[in-house]
Amino acid sequence: QKEVEQDPGPLSVPEGAIVSLNCTYSNSAFQYFMWYRQYSRKGPELLMYTYSSGNKEDGRFTAQVDKSSKYISLFIRDSQPSDSATYLCAMSETGNEKLTFGTGTRLTIIP
Amino acid sequence: SAVISQKPSRDICQRGTSLTIQCQVDSQVTMMFWYRQQPGQSLTLIATANQGSEATYESGFVIDKFPISRPNLTFSTLTVSNMSPEDSSIYLCSVDRTAYGYTFGSGTRLTVV
Repeated sequence: QKEVEQDPGPLSVPEGAIVSLNCTYSNSAFQYFMWYRQYSRKGPELLMYTYSSGNKEDGRFTAQVDKSSKYISLFIRDSQPSDSATYLCAMSETGNEKLTFGTGTRLTIIP
Repeated sequence: SAVISQKPSRDICQRGTSLTIQCQVDSQVTMMFWYRQQPGQSLTLIATANQGSEATYESGFVIDKFPISRPNLTFSTLTVSNMSPEDSSIYLCSVDRTAYGYTFGSGTRLTVV
């Protein structure tokens, strides 16, 4: 079993829809949770960074962490064609610099 | 957040040869990280490079295959040695910007033929 599981997609939704991206994990020591967006032929770009359980909102993006279920989500509201990219979840333990990534979900927003 | 310049952006190499990838950061950082991203796979940490000390390698990665240099607080290199087609991948460097999370370079797309 992988430490972090992420549905690879691909996921296609119409413009304006709400998108839900999810990851599950098995390591209960993970405390820091991140979502990265990666455009084709580019490096990952940090979108959201959260600590422990709870919600965090930034514009059209909301990150949720449920540590009791070992489940994290990223919601994108009013999705735009520019949101088309691969989304990677990542997580780390306190005091450990190493990030553990999901495989990424390829998202396409259809105009 | 930090700006990272990574060179080369892509290369096609013959098997058995070596390629050195450079990573330049626009500010001083303590730790730099090297990742590999294979098609359909997660980003996998190769090693952590601290200035002034030997790099720390993750399980499955060895110094003879992936030697790393870290001569100062803004620069690091990763060499992929004695390449085989299985080394075809995207290689990324990264730095930890603490409150801003981790920043990645644009990556080096390596194809070994």
